[in-house]
Amino acid sequence: AQTVTQSQPEMSVQEAETVTLSCTYDTSENNYYLFWYKQPPSRQMILVIRQEAYKQQNATENRFSVNFQKAAKSFSLKISDSQLGDTAMYFCASQKLYNFNKFYFGSGTKLNVKP
Amino acid sequence: DVKVTQSSRYLVKRTGEKVFLECVQDMDHENMFWYRQDPGLGLRLIYFSYDVKMKEKGDIPEGYSVSREKKERFSLILESASTNQTSMYLCASRSGTSGGNEQFFGPGTRLTVL
Repeated sequence: AQTVTQSQPEMSVQEAETVTLSCTYDTSENNYYLFWYKQPPSRQMILVIRQEAYKQQNATENRFSVNFQKAAKSFSLKISDSQLGDTAMYFCASQKLYNFNKFYFGSGTKLNVKP
Repeated sequence: DVKVTQSSRYLVKRTGEKVFLECVQDMDHENMFWYRQDPGLGLRLIYFSYDVKMKEKGDIPEGYSVSREKKERFSLILESASTNQTSMYLCASRSGTSGGNEQFFGPGTRLTVL
């Protein structure tokens, strides 16, 4: 099994500032996928961003970007210009390329955006 | 708009009861999943299904079974509920037979077993 570790159980950030959520993972695979999911309070979990491991370029989706360090097995999420609606649990997840129905999730980071 | 729905948001059952959690998706996805979400543990896969009547065990299948008689519906069954099965249960679906496609999640069912 792949292990995904999120070492920050809870974080806070002021509105409009930038915050980085950490994620490390353990895998023996050379190619795989990585994801960040967001779970707002009492709402459905949604995909924030995904990264394919063989792609060198870090993925970006509007205010969300990742810092993917393959050798270090690190996949952090940067949220720029934080908004109140970014308050949520954030989960990092990995997926093997060929066992594609097995997703491995971290324990989550609770992000509070303060006004 | 893609949708995964779950039959109940909150459910309270007694120890020993048989419990059915239902999940329906309207996206014609081949793959469906049941996860359990507990604080500090993240999401753990209970079972998944890649086709009608096909299922595979996830990481924590003990005490659970599943049923998929129709493509759009995936049921999680607790044969004899126990207090340690008190948790949030999330259903998800995804398309495709390769990696990279995202999972779409339902709103979750918070189950309490007394």
